[in-house]
Amino acid sequence: AQTVTQSQPEMSVQEAETVTLSCTYDTSESDYYLFWYKQPPSRQMILVIRQEAYKQQNATENRFSVNFQKAAKSFSLKISDSQLGDAAMYFCAYRIGGATNKLIFGTGTLLAVQP
Amino acid sequence: NAGVTQTPKFRVLKTGQSMTLLCAQDMNHEYMYWYRQDPGMGLRLIHYSVGEGTTAKGEVPDGYNVSRLKKQNFLLGLESAAPSQTSVYFCASSYGRDNSPLHFGNGTRLTVT
Repeated sequence: AQTVTQSQPEMSVQEAETVTLSCTYDTSESDYYLFWYKQPPSRQMILVIRQEAYKQQNATENRFSVNFQKAAKSFSLKISDSQLGDAAMYFCAYRIGGATNKLIFGTGTLLAVQP
Repeated sequence: NAGVTQTPKFRVLKTGQSMTLLCAQDMNHEYMYWYRQDPGMGLRLIHYSVGEGTTAKGEVPDGYNVSRLKKQNFLLGLESAAPSQTSVYFCASSYGRDNSPLHFGNGTRLTVT
């Protein structure tokens, strides 16, 4: 069975600093997709960034970037120039390509941003 | 543009009562999902649908039933609620497969006493 592990239940970062959130996954598939979602206190789930496993280049979205290490099955999220609005629960998620289409989530990392 | 709408937002049930959670999306998405979120456990997939008239079991389907009679609606039913079903329930939809992102509703907080 596919699993997603986020080993850091909580993290803290100073405003304007950089923080990295860890995510590892377990799969025997070669075709899959990875996502990071953000859940602020409003409870809304917001897509932060996504990565296709077949792409070697790491995805970036403004201050958010990933370090995708396919051989190590690692998909970490780096947040640069952290802002107070980045405080949220962050979930890593994995989806197998093809008809199954299920998205499997990790347990989340709660990020606090200190002013 | 409403996106994904869940009703109700909050509900309190007594053990043994039944209820239906409604999810509606106006984006013409094929795929719809029901997740539950519990502290320390992330989001776990209950049931999902790959198109109108289809449903499939996710990771934690026991105690729940679903129906997708219309493409835009995905209903989650609890026939006999139990305290273990106290949770926040999220509905989501996606246009396609692979790297298509999920669009989420704002959640339903259900408490079973």
